[in-house]
Amino acid sequence: QVQLVQSGSELKEPGASVKVSCKASGYSFTDYAMNWVRQAPGQGLEWLGWISTDTGDPTYAQGFTGQFVFSLDTSVSTAYMQIGSLKSEDTAVYYCARKRGGTSRDWYFDLWGRGALVTVSS
Amino acid sequence: QSVLTQPPSASGTPGQRVTISCSGSSSNIGSNPVSWYQQLPGTAPKLLIYFNNQRPSGVPDRFSGSQSGTSASLAISGLQSEDEADYYCAAWDDSLNGRVFGGGTKLTVL
Repeated sequence: QVQLVQSGSELKEPGASVKVSCKASGYSFTDYAMNWVRQAPGQGLEWLGWISTDTGDPTYAQGFTGQFVFSLDTSVSTAYMQIGSLKSEDTAVYYCARKRGGTSRDWYFDLWGRGALVTVSS
Repeated sequence: QSVLTQPPSASGTPGQRVTISCSGSSSNIGSNPVSWYQQLPGTAPKLLIYFNNQRPSGVPDRFSGSQSGTSASLAISGLQSEDEADYYCAAWDDSLNGRVFGGGTKLTVL
């Protein structure tokens, strides 16, 4: 079964860090890059960037460089996103989503994880 | 505010046809393909339309997409109660060098 399984909910204090995982199954992990998208409570979707699953090269959306770090463990078909220096405004559901398509611009998200809720509160 | 502009809400009665618009610019919709996503309450988004008007397998043909100039539209015909969800458009933006989303449209089936 083709799916992305994400880690569970996290409650963190401001200033802490968190690492969210996304395990792929049912397809060749290194054939498709992985995106990260977040959704704050009651808000829309926001693209954070993506990581090439064959080279490990990350690409961060504008404004998300530094605080967010994407990584991989291809031996277990898993992508990770670490968020540092957490603030209350980072409270959101974080989704991983598979990148499908051709060129660097002509692509779309064809498979999504269920999301991982990260709550930042003291 | 979002780079792509969608109406915050839309509504229709069962069996009706509704259209959701997505307005952008020459740096996004005007030069790159649009995809649409359906997010049912409490669930993850799901791909509905890609490359402006292509449906993935399993998506009913009641859903269709179109693009003209710097705008795109999602049409849902034969509206059903299970279509009640949030709908998002997305495209690559050449100026921002990143993927951008519309703010989402909440569809209510009356």
